[in-house]
Amino acid sequence: KAGVTQTPRYLIKTRGQQVTLSCSPISGHRSVSWYQQTPGQGLQFLFEYFSETQRNKGNFPGRFSGRQFSNSRSEMNVSTLELGDSALYLCASSPGQDYSPLHFGNGTRLTVT
Amino acid sequence: KQEVTQIPAALSVPEGENLVLNCSFTDSAIYNLQWFRQDPGKGLTSLLLIQSSQREQTSGRLNASLDKSSGRSTLYIAASQPGDSATYLCAVQSGSARQLTFGSGTQLTVLP
Repeated sequence: KAGVTQTPRYLIKTRGQQVTLSCSPISGHRSVSWYQQTPGQGLQFLFEYFSETQRNKGNFPGRFSGRQFSNSRSEMNVSTLELGDSALYLCASSPGQDYSPLHFGNGTRLTVT
Repeated sequence: KQEVTQIPAALSVPEGENLVLNCSFTDSAIYNLQWFRQDPGKGLTSLLLIQSSQREQTSGRLNASLDKSSGRSTLYIAASQPGDSATYLCAVQSGSARQLTFGSGTQLTVLP
């Protein structure tokens, strides 16, 4: 089975721009979660989607949004980029049943200049 | 609010040593605890998952234990190798949401 695939691997953007990151979950997985990893804050939960519906949301501003498609693929969008948004963005998928283990992709490294 | 702490933040050992990484959490009402490994610039690789009803899990040279009542977990690595060098993260699932709460990790270096 192919693992979780995130594209692109690297992105460089300028302050004020917006960006879209993509995540393809493991085949058959219906839940996709997004996490932000920074040296200062560590790993923080952004949101989780299940069957095209946002099921949980972390404590991030509205500039961070996401969606999930009928094939379970997910996208995350960040608008009006700030320098502090520079981070490794990780996507994780799971079958979707409560508290099943999460499987992570290799992440997208976003640099905002 | 769940908080997860990992001690030590960094650890350097000679090859062949057995070692223990520690993880503590403040809210014992967890559903499971997962240990991950992260290599520089990469994503997370799941090592072991312990359900709340379990006391330990083993995979090869790795053994993870869970003491829910005291809010602690340990990851034991036997006969460490240079290839074990990485950052090890523990994470818990708790509350009504399904997200993981992560510790800040232990950066392990195994010297040849």
